[in-house]
Amino acid sequence: QKEVEQDPGPLSVPEGAIVSLNCTYSNSAFQYFMWYRQYSRKGPELLMYTYSSGNKEDGRFTAQVDKSSKYISLFIRDSQPSDSATYLCAMSVGGAQKLVFGQGTRLTINP
Amino acid sequence: KAGVTQTPRYLIKTRGQQVTLSCSPISGHRSVSWYQQTPGQGLQFLFEYFSETQRNKGNFPGRFSGRQFSNSRSEMNVSTLELGDSALYLCASSEPISGGDYNEQFFGPGTRLTVL
Repeated sequence: QKEVEQDPGPLSVPEGAIVSLNCTYSNSAFQYFMWYRQYSRKGPELLMYTYSSGNKEDGRFTAQVDKSSKYISLFIRDSQPSDSATYLCAMSVGGAQKLVFGQGTRLTINP
Repeated sequence: KAGVTQTPRYLIKTRGQQVTLSCSPISGHRSVSWYQQTPGQGLQFLFEYFSETQRNKGNFPGRFSGRQFSNSRSEMNVSTLELGDSALYLCASSEPISGGDYNEQFFGPGTRLTVL
């Protein structure tokens, strides 16, 4: 079983919908939780990171971490066609540069 | 600031050959990490170099190796290529400020390696 599990999708929603993306993990030592977005033929780019449990909001994006359930989420409000990409969750122990990634969820926002 | 650059962008090799990939980090970044991305396994950590020393290593066989130069540029080498080594190889750089705090990793566009 993988340390980080993420439903690969694909997920297709209409423009303007609220999107919910999730990951579960097994290593309780993870402290930093990240969401990356990867467009086709590009490297991943960081959307948000959260330290330990809690919520973090940045514009239309909200990240939630529940360490007691080992569950993290990313919500996208008012989704746009430009949000169509693969979304990857990633985690690390402390400030270590070794990131453990989920499989990635391919998201399509239909106009 | 220029982003992370990787060369070459695409590479085709045959089984048994070896390959060297190059990564130039963002100016001032001293940490370089390498990842392998495949449809089946996703993104997996290979190793990290900081100040010319390997600081972290993933779960890959010894055929995968790397090094970092004094200007922080890094190379990774794969010897005796296998079909399963076909993947997108991503390099990421960061500017570690202190050991315990989070340091964002900036990814390059990757090198697409195909092994025939």
